[in-house]
Amino acid sequence: DVKVTQSSRYLVKRTGEKVFLECVQDMDHENMFWYRQDPGLGLRLIYFSYDVKMKEKGDIPEGYSVSREKKERFSLILESASTNQTSMYLCASSLHGQGQETQYFGPGTRLLVL
Amino acid sequence: QKEVEQNSGPLSVPEGAIASLNCTYSDRVSQSFFWYRQYSGKSPELIMSIYSNGDKEDGRFTAQLNKASQYVSLLIRDSQPSDSATYLCAVRDNQGGKLIFGQGTELSVKP
Repeated sequence: DVKVTQSSRYLVKRTGEKVFLECVQDMDHENMFWYRQDPGLGLRLIYFSYDVKMKEKGDIPEGYSVSREKKERFSLILESASTNQTSMYLCASSLHGQGQETQYFGPGTRLLVL
Repeated sequence: QKEVEQNSGPLSVPEGAIASLNCTYSDRVSQSFFWYRQYSGKSPELIMSIYSNGDKEDGRFTAQLNKASQYVSLLIRDSQPSDSATYLCAVRDNQGGKLIFGQGTELSVKP
């Protein structure tokens, strides 16, 4: 079974704090993704990575950065948290294949920025 | 802008009925399609993937794909209250392998 874990289920931070969200997968997947999900806006892709040390911007990268130092770990960093970054953050991973990659999601981190 | 469209619902069906969830997509060269189920407060979980035109069945679930019409659907037979969730349609973006998600359809199955 694919397992994607996220470091926290719930997180409360103050405006201006630097926030780290960690994601680890145990299936040797090449691809990893960070999304945020908000009511009425669906899933929006923040950043993704196809390999170690690689990163690509998604649809809404502003205010975020990522780090992928090891294949199994993909970190999302909020450089200076703001209240509009209050959201559910979802990490996903998939194999790198020929178009049939299924993404597997972690349990999510619900972040509240005060 | 590549898009995936779903009716947001809520779609309400009685227990035991067939629930039909629909999805259209804008990129006609798309090849891979996925249905995810998401319970309230939980993360999405894969139900079905489909890559070829026609039907694909898995238990009570049937995915249908029509590439000419750019349409993919999910049928749930003998709907149960435990099927009540939001169903997300996702289409693989051929330029890069990302998934493009629809907004999701909320399904409510009434006992």
